[in-house]
Amino acid sequence: SQTIHQWPATLVQPVGSPLSLECTVEGTSNPNLYWYRQAAGRGLQLLFYSVGIGQISSEVPQNLSASRPQDRQFILSSKKLLLSDSGFYLCAWSSPEGGNQPQHFGDGTRLSIL
Amino acid sequence: AQRVTQPEKLLSVFKGAPVELKCNYSYSGSPELFWYVQYSRQRLQLLLRHISRESIKGFTADLNKGETSFHLKKPFAQEEDSAMYYCALRPGGYQKVTFGTGTKLQVIP
Repeated sequence: SQTIHQWPATLVQPVGSPLSLECTVEGTSNPNLYWYRQAAGRGLQLLFYSVGIGQISSEVPQNLSASRPQDRQFILSSKKLLLSDSGFYLCAWSSPEGGNQPQHFGDGTRLSIL
Repeated sequence: AQRVTQPEKLLSVFKGAPVELKCNYSYSGSPELFWYVQYSRQRLQLLLRHISRESIKGFTADLNKGETSFHLKKPFAQEEDSAMYYCALRPGGYQKVTFGTGTKLQVIP
C-alpha cells in the first residue's frame, strides 16, 4: 500500500535561517506531489505541485521554493525565512492516472519562526 | 481561474439534526469535486467525490451544475461527525487542486 512521510513534525527556526522540509511517498510511481500551507480561516493554500522529476509549478510568489530530486521525494525550501512563513505545511500525493484521483495527505509540519 | 467558496466558518448543530455544509464553485469547464475531512489530531483525508455518487458515513453530496454547488449533507448528525470539512475542485484533466477555506462542524450532544 502507499504511504506518505513528512518531516519534521514541528520546527522552530529564527528569522533569516534556511528551511528544508521533506516529503517522501512509498508504494507508487510517478505520483503528482503537492505542498500546501494550512492557515486558520484561509483553508489550504496550494504552494507548489509537481507532475514529474524536476517539474515544479509555483502557485504563489513568495519566499519559498520546491524541488523534486527523485520521483517520490518533494522538498520545500527557503534560503531566508520570514516571520510570515510561520504556519502548518502539508504535503500530498495523488495518482497520475486521470479521472477523479483524490489526494492523500501527510501529517504536516508545524513551522514557527521566531 | 477556479474558486471554491465555503461561506460558513463554523456550523453548530444538535445531535440528530440534519446537516448541510455549503460549497459553491466557480469554474467554466467540467470540474471534479471532492469533500475532505480532518478529525481532531488526524490527517486530512478524502470523504467523498462527486463522480462516485456514494454515501460515506451517512454523508452525500450532489453536484448541481446549474447552481455551481456541491453541498455536503447528512440527515442525522452524530457527535463523531465533529471535524473540519473542506470542499475541493480540480479542473478536468489538470492536476492543480483548489480548496475552500473550510467549515468546522460542531455537533452538540
